[in-house]
Amino acid sequence: KNQVEQSPQSLIILEGKNCTLQCNYTVSPFSNLRWYKQDTGRGPVSLTIMTFSENTKSNGRYTATLDADTKQSSLHITASQLSDSASYICVVTLYSGGGADGLTFGKGTHLIIQP
Amino acid sequence: DAGVIQSPRHEVTEMGQEVTLRCKPISGHNSLFWYRQTMMRGLELLIYFNNNVPIDDSGMPEDRFSAKMPNASFSTLKIQPSEPRDSAVYFCASSLGDLSYNEQFFGPGTRLTVL
Repeated sequence: KNQVEQSPQSLIILEGKNCTLQCNYTVSPFSNLRWYKQDTGRGPVSLTIMTFSENTKSNGRYTATLDADTKQSSLHITASQLSDSASYICVVTLYSGGGADGLTFGKGTHLIIQP
Repeated sequence: DAGVIQSPRHEVTEMGQEVTLRCKPISGHNSLFWYRQTMMRGLELLIYFNNNVPIDDSGMPEDRFSAKMPNASFSTLKIQPSEPRDSAVYFCASSLGDLSYNEQFFGPGTRLTVL
């Protein structure tokens, strides 16, 4: 069964510190992996999209890595800011790219940045 | 651009009533997605349209749910009759291109409460 597991479920860090969120998946065949940021009460916003051939992709202070062999991805946040407080969702797309089974979602990591 | 527009933002209704959620995608985008988000199940893809045609509705939970896209600038998600377990936040998203490697832009969501 295609699954996406995210860890930790929640995380609290001090402003200015770095953190890394994990995403492990069993989706196969694999097309791409996305990281979304979702602020409370708002829709998700895309941070990165990576295919199997991409190992690293950055978006400002956010850096996503992908190891397609081990089926693991991480999202690293550098020099955290209060505005980084949000849920971060990992989504994996099947190679066929079609149908509701084409997207498998993680439950997200709830990140809180404390001043 | 105004982004993806959804209405209403909040809906409270009684069990058995019909509910219609509306979405206006970003102009020029040719794919539209309906999602549901709950604390228990996270984000789920219900249905997606490409060029106004439903590609796969296998994520639609039951026959009580139906979605239409009469033209490129408007889509509806209807629940009839509604049940308390339908309470969730419903998101609409649009993208330029299909499910495979295209950034999706989410609307603000409709928070539905069925009493």
